Amino acid sequence: DAKTTQPNSMESNEEEPVHLPCNHSTISGTDYIHWYRQLPSQGPEYVIHGLTSNVNNRMASLAIAEDRKSSTLILHRATLRDAAVYYCILRDGWSGANSKLTFGKGITLSVRP
Amino acid sequence: NAGVTQTPKFQVLKTGQSMTLQCAQDMNHEYMSWYRQDPGMGLRLIHYSVGAGITDQGEVPNGYNVSRSTTEDFPLRLLSAAPSQTSVYFCASSYARGGNEKLFFGSGTQLSVL
Repeated sequence: DAKTTQPNSMESNEEEPVHLPCNHSTISGTDYIHWYRQLPSQGPEYVIHGLTSNVNNRMASLAIAEDRKSSTLILHRATLRDAAVYYCILRDGWSGANSKLTFGKGITLSVRP
Repeated sequence: NAGVTQTPKFQVLKTGQSMTLQCAQDMNHEYMSWYRQDPGMGLRLIHYSVGAGITDQGEVPNGYNVSRSTTEDFPLRLLSAAPSQTSVYFCASSYARGGNEKLFFGSGTQLSVL
């Protein structure tokens, strides 16, 4: 799987929007962009994923650059419960793909009251 | 709907002991995997499976064995525990290996090797 790079940490104020960036310059045409988050002392949980078009769900929005070499996870109104580590990863959509799915260190998001 | 279930939640071993971490999913998922997470680190892939009878190595497979005899279960065996294997272990599954499928994670097993 192609690699992603993320900043180590970000801070946000409660009830303000948060934009979490991810670079994936070596992304292939069949790679899906996934975001997961890990709350303290819990297992990671799925947030959102997309291929080319921007995506919205009840948790967040995913904005994908036109060249697909970067993406941004958008939390529209941060709450204290959104303080977590956010992972951006790529999954090859080809059915015969190597499934060696790797995570990095992710972005640690802190939310100030 | 139980999802991905890991047992035990906590375990303490002595160096040289062996044990099996259990992972079961009730979603008929084809793909299952094991990760370890050390303090301040991300998740590192140990082993994964794309279906019953098929397993492969991840980034850090040494000291661990896996097998996949059923779709539901994917146990992780520590052959001879070492202090370096002190970590939190997560099991994950998805419907298929492909990129359009989201991963579901268990709540983790915290392992200490003395």
